[in-house]
Order: sequence, then C-alpha cells, then structure tokens
Amino acid sequence: GAVVSQHPSWVICKSGTSVKIECRSLDFQATTMFWYRQFPKQSLMLMATSNEGSKATYEQGVEKDKFLINHASLTLSTLTVTSAHPEDSSFYICSAPDAGTGGDGYTFGSGTRLTVV
Amino acid sequence: QKEVEQNSGPLSVPEGAIASLNCTYSDRGSQSFFWYRQYSGKSPELIMSIYSNGDKEDGRFTAQLNKASQYVSLLIRDSQPSDSATYLCAVNSPNDYKLSFGAGTTVTVRA
Repeated sequence: GAVVSQHPSWVICKSGTSVKIECRSLDFQATTMFWYRQFPKQSLMLMATSNEGSKATYEQGVEKDKFLINHASLTLSTLTVTSAHPEDSSFYICSAPDAGTGGDGYTFGSGTRLTVV
Repeated sequence: QKEVEQNSGPLSVPEGAIASLNCTYSDRGSQSFFWYRQYSGKSPELIMSIYSNGDKEDGRFTAQLNKASQYVSLLIRDSQPSDSATYLCAVNSPNDYKLSFGAGTTVTVRA
C-alpha cells in the first residue's frame, strides 16, 4: 500500500533555531500533502495544505512565515518551523490522499515529535 | 459549532465487552467518513472507512453511518486490551480532500 515516510521522528532544538520536517511518498505521487499539529491530549488540527508546484494554503490562525511549506516535487513535501519557540513543541504529522493508489483515503506519516528548549 | 464532535470519554470497558463510539458532523454534504485509532505518541492508523448509509463490518469492528442524522458510530466487539487507544472520527470536506477530526475518545479495555 501507499507509504509516506516522515523524518525525523523526533527532534530537540534550541529556541530561535529552525527545524525542517520531511515527508516523502514512497510508492505514489502525492500532489497534495496535509500538515497537522497535535498538542498533548488534543486532536489533530490541520495547519496547511501543500500542493506540488504551487503555494501552500494555510488554515486560519497559522502563520505562514513561521511555518514554511515547500512541495517541490510529487514525492516530497517539507515543513520548516522557523525561529522555533517552546510553544511550537508539538507532534507534527503529514498526510496525503492515496485513493488513486488503491488506498482507502489517506496515508499518514509516522509523525515528528518536536521539542523546543 | 464544532465540525466533528465525538462522545466524551474516557470510555472504560471490560475485556470481551462491546465499546460503542459516537460521532456527529455538521456539514451535510460530507461524503467520506473514517475512524482512526491512535496509540500514544504514534500516528493515526485507519480502522474503518464508510461512505454509504448503513453498516460496514470488518472483523470485530462495525461502523454505522446515518447521513440523515449526520451521525457515524463505531462498535468494537469482544474488546481486547490491545484496543486501548484514542479513537478519532474524521470527516472529509465535500469540496476538497481536507479531513476534519473530532477530539477523540480514549478507550481503556480492562483485563
């Protein structure tokens, strides 16, 4: 089945630095990638939608200059958290629609646990 | 009004019992509905998808959809300790591929 590989699985960074998270579709072309954030004991909240070859669209309240999304190819989407602060510590998950590959809707990456100290 | 609402938890059931999870959604045009299981610190994994009114069974899991009532449920029969997790209801937007998630219901199966 469709697989989305997400790296790193966890990262600890200092406040003020930037962190890049990668999601690669391994056996299908992901023209769209959704990026979610999940705080402890809360549900997944959609941050933005990236589309290959075009600008990402951000949900209300998400700072596009802080969360830079690039979808440069049909198999790679990246999220860069710029000037990270402790309040950005969260679980970040990517997801791509996979119906065209015989999947049943969406394939999720394994998630990235970001801790900003 | 939240787009997707789930019955509040946590839900504790004895091993072998039935766990019943409920979800309502606000967008009447939604067409695709999903139940995900999420273990602590892990990404969600798909348990069941349902698109048509009625029941859909897969092993010990049964999803039920009632579009008129904007209601979708999940039954877990013969609950096992390994079923202990948070269950997320997700609904697809009719206009794009975006998924809206409910807050989740945490299920604990007591051995």
